[in-house]
Formats: sequence, C-alpha cells, structure tokens
Amino acid sequence: DVKVTQSSRYLVKRTGEKVFLECVQDMDHENMFWYRQDPGLGLRLIYFSYDVKMKEKGDIPEGYSVSREKKERFSLILESASTNQTSMYLCASSLWQNGYTFGSGTRLTVV
Amino acid sequence: GQNIDQPTEMTATEGAIVQINCTYQTSGFNGLFWYQQHAGEAPTFLSYNVLDGLEEKGRFSSFLSRSKGYSYLLLKELQMKDSASYLCAVRSPSGAGSYQLTFGKGTKLSVIP
Repeated sequence: DVKVTQSSRYLVKRTGEKVFLECVQDMDHENMFWYRQDPGLGLRLIYFSYDVKMKEKGDIPEGYSVSREKKERFSLILESASTNQTSMYLCASSLWQNGYTFGSGTRLTVV
Repeated sequence: GQNIDQPTEMTATEGAIVQINCTYQTSGFNGLFWYQQHAGEAPTFLSYNVLDGLEEKGRFSSFLSRSKGYSYLLLKELQMKDSASYLCAVRSPSGAGSYQLTFGKGTKLSVIP
C-alpha cells in the first residue's frame, strides 16, 4: 500500500512564525498535493506538483508556498503564519490516472 | 470554474439503503471520485467513474452521467460504521498537462439504529 506520511499530527505556532509542513510518499508518485480542510468549506487545493521542482497554484495559494526538491517529498511553507491559517492540512499523492492517497493530516493552530 | 454540489447532511437507518447525490459543473472532466472520511481521519478512496454507468463494489455502488453532470453513491445494508462524511471529487485538466482534483464540501451521513 502507498504510504503518505505527514511529519506532525498536531502543531501550534505563533502569529508571524515561518511554518514548514512536510509530506513524504514512498511509491514514486509523480503528483503531490496540499489541501486544507475547514468546517463548511470542505477540502480546498492550495498547491500541487506534478514533477520535481514543478508546482502549480491551486484555488487558495495566497499566504503559502511549496517546495519539491525530491520526488518523494513535498513541503508546504507558511511564510508568516496568521490565525486564519488555523486549519487541518492534508497532503496527498497519486499516479496520473489513479485516485489520491492522503496522509493522516496535520492540525495546525496559529495563536 | 469548478462547482460541485452535494447535500450537507443525511440520516438513514441501519440496514437500509441510502443514495448520496452529487452534481458538478467543471471546466473539463477526467473522472469522478468518491471518498469516505471518518471524523478526525484522512479521506479514503471508495470509487472512481470515468464512463457513464454504474460501478459496483460490494455494498457500495457509484453511478455517473456525464451529459447531466451527475453522480450518486449508493450504500446498501447500512452499518453503524458507515457514519462518516462522503466526498465527491472531480478530476479536471490543469495547466502544463497535469490534473487536479476538486472536492465538494462533503455529505455527513449519520446511521441510526
């Protein structure tokens, strides 16, 4: 089975801090994605990557950046965390024609 | 733009059948997915439709009509453990030859004894 691992399950950060969320997959998938999930809003795509060093903006990229230096690792960066970025962050990976496999999520609280 | 609609909540009785509908309007279409998500957990893959018709997988079936922009997930012989949110998602082409998956807001299903 594909495994997608997110580095932290729970995270508390202060406003203005730089935050790194890490995601690693072990099945050589080309595509990796970062979503955030909020009550009443569902899953919203922040950024995705279809190859090493390639990235595309999703629906809500503002306030975020990403890095994909190696195929297995996709990092989400909050340059200056704000309270409205408190959310559940989900990483996913896929092959081109397959469904997504999600990590277990990181619940980020910005205080 | 992408627009995916599904009911917010549904309640059904253990042992019964429930149908969760999903309608979509997207720029491009390359398949429709259903995911199950239990509270506090990550979504898990249930089904995938790219051609019109019914796909059956045990107690779960999913139907697609591309001309109508419509899908449904059918759950038979409901069990208490089926209480979860069910997410409809549409894959569509994005820039540079890649694809992205856009999710509906999810339908929270409560199964009652």
